[in-house]
Amino acid sequence: AQTVTQSQPEMSVQEAETVTLSCTYDTSESDYYLFWYKQPPSRQMILVIRQEAYKQQNATENRFSVNFQKAAKSFSLKISDSQLGDAAMYFCALDGTASKLTFGTGTRLQVTL
Amino acid sequence: NAGVTQTPKFRVLKTGQSMTLLCAQDMNHEYMYWYRQDPGMGLRLIHYSVGEGTTAKGEVPDGYNVSRLKKQNFLLGLESAAPSQTSVYFCASSWGYGYTFGSGTRLTVV
Repeated sequence: AQTVTQSQPEMSVQEAETVTLSCTYDTSESDYYLFWYKQPPSRQMILVIRQEAYKQQNATENRFSVNFQKAAKSFSLKISDSQLGDAAMYFCALDGTASKLTFGTGTRLQVTL
Repeated sequence: NAGVTQTPKFRVLKTGQSMTLLCAQDMNHEYMYWYRQDPGMGLRLIHYSVGEGTTAKGEVPDGYNVSRLKKQNFLLGLESAAPSQTSVYFCASSWGYGYTFGSGTRLTVV
C-alpha cells in the first residue's frame, strides 16, 4: 500500500513572502510520480506541479518549486512571492501502484496582506 | 474540448434512495476513477477502471457500484444511500501520468 502524509493542516503566509508545504510518502515502487494539486473554493482540482521519481532535478513551475528528497521520501512545495490567489487547499498525491493516485489530507493555505 | 464532465453537480437524497452519478470524458483516456472527498480526509479512491468493461475496488468501495460499458463513461451508483455517503464526489480520467478531474458532485443524504 502507498501512503501520503501532510502534517500541516493549515499554513499562513504574508503576500509576497515564501511558504513551504510539507509532504512525506511511502511506496514500495521504484518508479512513481508525485503531484501537488491546488483546490480553490470553486472545488476544481488544479495541477500545480509534477515530479517524476527517476529525475533527480527538482521540478519548477514559475513561482512554484519542489524539494524532492527520494531517500527521505519527502516532497515539499515552495511557493515564492505569494499572491492572494494562492489561497486554497493544497494536496500532495502519489501515483506509484497501478496508476492510482493516493492523496494526503491537505493543507489549507491562507494568504494575508 | 470539455475534458471530464460530471452530472449532477448537486443532489440531496433521502436515506435509502438510490441514484447514479455520471462521468463522461472526451479525451479517449483508458483509466477512469471515482473519489470521495470528506473534510480532513483528502480524496479517497472508491472504484476505478483500467478500460472499457473493467472495474476494480479502491480504498472505500462499500456501498457503491460502478460500470464502464463505454470507454468515455464511468457511472457510480448508490443502491441505498446512507448519511455516511454525504460527501463531494470527484471523477477523474488519465492516460499515462496525466490526470484530469471533473468539477465534483456535492451529495447530501438526509
